[in-house]
Amino acid sequence: SQQGEEDPQALSIQEGENATMNCSYKTSINNLQWYRQNSGRGLVHLILIRSNEREKHSGRLRVTLDTSKKSSSLLITASRAADTASYFCATDPFDTGRRALTFGSGTRLQVQP
Amino acid sequence: DAGITQSPRHKVTETGTPVTLRCHQTENHRYMYWYRQDPGHGLRLIHYSYGVKDTDKGEVSDGYSVSRSKTEDFLLTLESATSSQTSVYFCATRSLADTDTQYFGPGTRLTVL
Repeated sequence: SQQGEEDPQALSIQEGENATMNCSYKTSINNLQWYRQNSGRGLVHLILIRSNEREKHSGRLRVTLDTSKKSSSLLITASRAADTASYFCATDPFDTGRRALTFGSGTRLQVQP
Repeated sequence: DAGITQSPRHKVTETGTPVTLRCHQTENHRYMYWYRQDPGHGLRLIHYSYGVKDTDKGEVSDGYSVSRSKTEDFLLTLESATSSQTSVYFCATRSLADTDTQYFGPGTRLTVL
């Protein structure tokens, strides 16, 4: 099963509203990252939060990390139609040397204009 | 996208035939990865490489092999394609200097009939 699991699987909101996506994981991590995937395209890195950080901001993105609960959330404020995409959390496990991320199954976000 | 290209972008083949997918990068990144993406599973790691001629297996490596004879090229081979290998395949890279972020190619959609 995937290291990271996103919740909800799908989310539909109106333009201007905030969108919140959650991610849970199972093992110790170096960092947790969020990626966006537009339909038919590759993944694009959005933001990274390290295991010793609790909150991070980048533009309209806000990420939180709770290592005690092994969970993270991604908040997109004032959403736009262009934010419509799938969002994936990815964990960088602490105890592997392969430096490969482990991805969750994603949240499909639909922003209605 | 860190100058990552994948070829072919689309391929339809028949069960039992060998298939090779190519990933080419121009950024001189050390680490390269092959993932497959299926509905409900997110991205799953097939194989990865941490240098020329240095490769290792990921979580779903059965039925796949890889080779990396040059820094810029990472080949994924399906020795005898099966219908369960119908998927979208993504290549990703990661640099030694910035080991936190993975950069993804545009993907290859493979259909095995």
